[in-house]
Amino acid sequence: GNSVTQMEGPVTLSEEAFLTINCTYTATGYPSLFWYVQYPGEGLQLLLKATKADDKGSNKGFEATYRKETTSFHLEKGSVQVSDSAVYFCALSDSHNQGGKLIFGQGTELSVKP
Amino acid sequence: DAEITQSPRHKITETGRQVTLACHQTWNHNNMFWYRQDLGHGLRLIHYSYGVQDTNKGEVSDGYSVSRSNTEDLPLTLESAASSQTSVYFCASSETAAQETQYFGPGTRLLVL
Repeated sequence: GNSVTQMEGPVTLSEEAFLTINCTYTATGYPSLFWYVQYPGEGLQLLLKATKADDKGSNKGFEATYRKETTSFHLEKGSVQVSDSAVYFCALSDSHNQGGKLIFGQGTELSVKP
Repeated sequence: DAEITQSPRHKITETGRQVTLACHQTWNHNNMFWYRQDLGHGLRLIHYSYGVQDTNKGEVSDGYSVSRSNTEDLPLTLESAASSQTSVYFCASSETAAQETQYFGPGTRLLVL
């Protein structure tokens, strides 16, 4: 079945450090891939997405490239800020299913120190 | 602005009681979803609906039920609450296509004693 695996957290970085959160997936067909972010005490919100191979999603300085050959969708940011502290979820939506049921990774908690 | 709301935001109940969590969206989305969030498990799908009168079981549906009588609402019912159902519950909605963004509510924190 379809699945998503993320690197375990928590990840602690200093402000302005480079961030990578690894995400790999297993899926049949051609899934859409997502990164969602959850700030403390809130629901999830979409950070970025990519719907086909080699697409790059980007938002708020974050980027992720849909790599079909390595079944990966790693999240990167060149210079993190304290305000980026949150839990990040990688997710996929199977193109074969109607309406986009999401399968989530377990989440990676990021803490950025000043 | 369109939004998705959940109520209550916090709930304490006792084992064996029936509990209903409300979810209301004003996006006019056909698709609605219920997830639970537990440490180490990410979010897991409980039930989902692709439109009025349509409901489907997700990965962890045992002990839960939903009904969809209109586009805006998808209430989640715990028939007989168990301590294992202590969790944070999120409702979400989306347009029909698989690549569409899901919009999440703020969550309901449920404690079953």
